[in-house]
Amino acid sequence: LAKTTQPISMDSYEGQEVNITCSHNNIATNDYITWYQQFPSQGPRFIIQGYKTKVTNEVASLFIPADRKSSTLSLPRVSLSDTAVYYCLVGGGMNRDDKIIFGKGTRLHILP
Amino acid sequence: DAGVIQSPRHEVTEMGQEVTLRCKPISGHNSLFWYRQTMMRGLELLIYFNNNVPIDDSGMPEDRFSAKMPNASFSTLKIQPSEPRDSAVYFCASSRDTGVGNTIYFGEGSWLTVV
Repeated sequence: LAKTTQPISMDSYEGQEVNITCSHNNIATNDYITWYQQFPSQGPRFIIQGYKTKVTNEVASLFIPADRKSSTLSLPRVSLSDTAVYYCLVGGGMNRDDKIIFGKGTRLHILP
Repeated sequence: DAGVIQSPRHEVTEMGQEVTLRCKPISGHNSLFWYRQTMMRGLELLIYFNNNVPIDDSGMPEDRFSAKMPNASFSTLKIQPSEPRDSAVYFCASSRDTGVGNTIYFGEGSWLTVV
């Protein structure tokens, strides 16, 4: 399972675009990059997943450069309700030997 | 569709008592995970099952903890005897299969306080 590094915390203001970068230098060829969001008092929930280039859904965008050694989660026009912990996970696709382990995540605090 | 269902949502118990947490995974999911979350240690993977078989229990803190999955729709996490340091939120999660490529769906958690 590739090790990931992401900032411990970030602050931003309502209406801003927020970018959270995750480093995963030893990502393997078959690894996917997955982001989860956890609100206070709730379990994490899936936000977005990608393998290369760019993925966009109704919640966020995920940018992955060609070398795949990092990825950036982009949240457009954040609101107070986007205050949460964001986790970056990198792992071997459907490899059932990969334990799904969450790191410390990035604690995002949106200010009014 | 029903999500992952956990019970109880909240439990307060005295040290030394047995605690049993229950989980019903999403129908059709073959993998089930038990996590524990505290402020100090974050979200820890305790054990996970695939097709009802425990695959890795290396995260189980000690022999006081045990988990079972007697069938595809039910799992339990038991703590006996409980200690104050076991106070945490215990999450059950399920996915179609193991591996990070599979989306994991979490329950709402069981909030355990041991006094």
